[in-house]
Parts: sequence; C-alpha cells; structure tokens
Amino acid sequence: DGGITQSPKYLFRKEGQNVTLSCEQNLNHDAMYWYRQDPGQGLRLIYYSQIVNDFQKGDIAEGYSVSREKKESFPLTVTSAQKNPTAFYLCASSQGGQNTYEQYFGPGTRLTVT
Amino acid sequence: AQSVTQLDSQVPVFEEAPVELRCNYSSSVSVYLFWYVQYPNQGLQLLLKYLSGSTLVKGINGFEAEFNKSQTSFHLRKPSVHISDTAEYFCAVSGTNAGKSTFGDGTTLTVKP
Repeated sequence: DGGITQSPKYLFRKEGQNVTLSCEQNLNHDAMYWYRQDPGQGLRLIYYSQIVNDFQKGDIAEGYSVSREKKESFPLTVTSAQKNPTAFYLCASSQGGQNTYEQYFGPGTRLTVT
Repeated sequence: AQSVTQLDSQVPVFEEAPVELRCNYSSSVSVYLFWYVQYPNQGLQLLLKYLSGSTLVKGINGFEAEFNKSQTSFHLRKPSVHISDTAEYFCAVSGTNAGKSTFGDGTTLTVKP
C-alpha cells in the first residue's frame, strides 16, 4: 500500500526540549510539506521541499527546522525556540514539478508540550 | 499571491437535506482548485479537484463542486447528506505554475439526525 506515514501519533515533551517528528512516503513523490493545524485556524505551511537536498520556508518557519536527505523522508524538528509548539502537525506530499496537483496527507502527529 | 476564503465556519444540517459549502479564492494566475475532507484526529483526504475542462466536477461520497471563474468561486455541494459526512472540509487553491497550495480556514459540517 502506497502512502504517507507519520510517527508517533501522539507525542509529549517538556518545554525547552527539541523534538523531531517523522514523515515517510513511498509514493515516489518529489515534493513534501509540513503543516501546523490549530483549532479554527486551518492549515499553515511550515516548510516545503520540492526536491531532495532543497527546502523552503513556509509562512510560519520560525522555531522549526527540516532536512531532506532522502526522497522518501522529510523530518521536522520543533526546537525550543518555537514559542507555542502544542499543535497537530500534518505532513503531505505531491508529485511535484509540472504535475503538482493534489497533496496526499499523513495521519498527523499531535504534539503536546508542557 | 493567492488566498482562499471559506465563507461559513460552521454549517449544521439535518440528515438527507442538501448542503452547500462556499469557497471564494483570489489569484493573479490560473489556478487549480481542491476540496479536502478531514475526520477527527486524521489527515486530509481529497474529495475532488478542478484542473481544467468541465467546470462541474464530481468527487467521492456523492460530492460535486462548480468552478465559476467570473465569481472566483468553487462551492461544494451534496444533494443529500448522511451522518457520516460530519467532518471538517477545506478548500484549497494552487497556481498552475507552482506546487504550493493555500488552504482556507475550514468549514465544520455537522449532520444531525
């Protein structure tokens, strides 16, 4: 079965700790994305990558970092600099290039920082 | 730059009634348009998409949407809803020359028995 996996589904951390969220896809997609979702605010783009070893900041990149060393993987690190990290995080992928149509989403990771 | 406005944050409706979820967009370039559905604590799933051609597009679960270029709208409709349609619905737009999508804030559809 092709798709996107995110792990873990629920994650708890203490304030001041960095935490890395995993995102893996086996759809052979070039482009991958990270979104943050807060109640009533829709999806906000954190980072996106259109090709391996390249990525761009989205609308709310401050306090986050990413890497794209492999086509299948796009991990997101929530750093201690992120002021309000508790949220639902969604990873997505799309074909990329001229065929960038719809995005395919993972099941999400709910991060709680106390 | 592009933006999406979902005109209703919440839409309550009775089972078997028709429903319309409204979406307006703005963009300086040609666009692709999408509707996604999200069930609680899950990721988003594509309902339907407009890329080109016929302005009336049909999707999964009996939903359809009509692209209206002059009114810059892409409203989602279903003639008869079920309890299982209760979910959050997101409209999204992307430029035909760029991969990023811009999402609306979502509309919560609640179907009551």
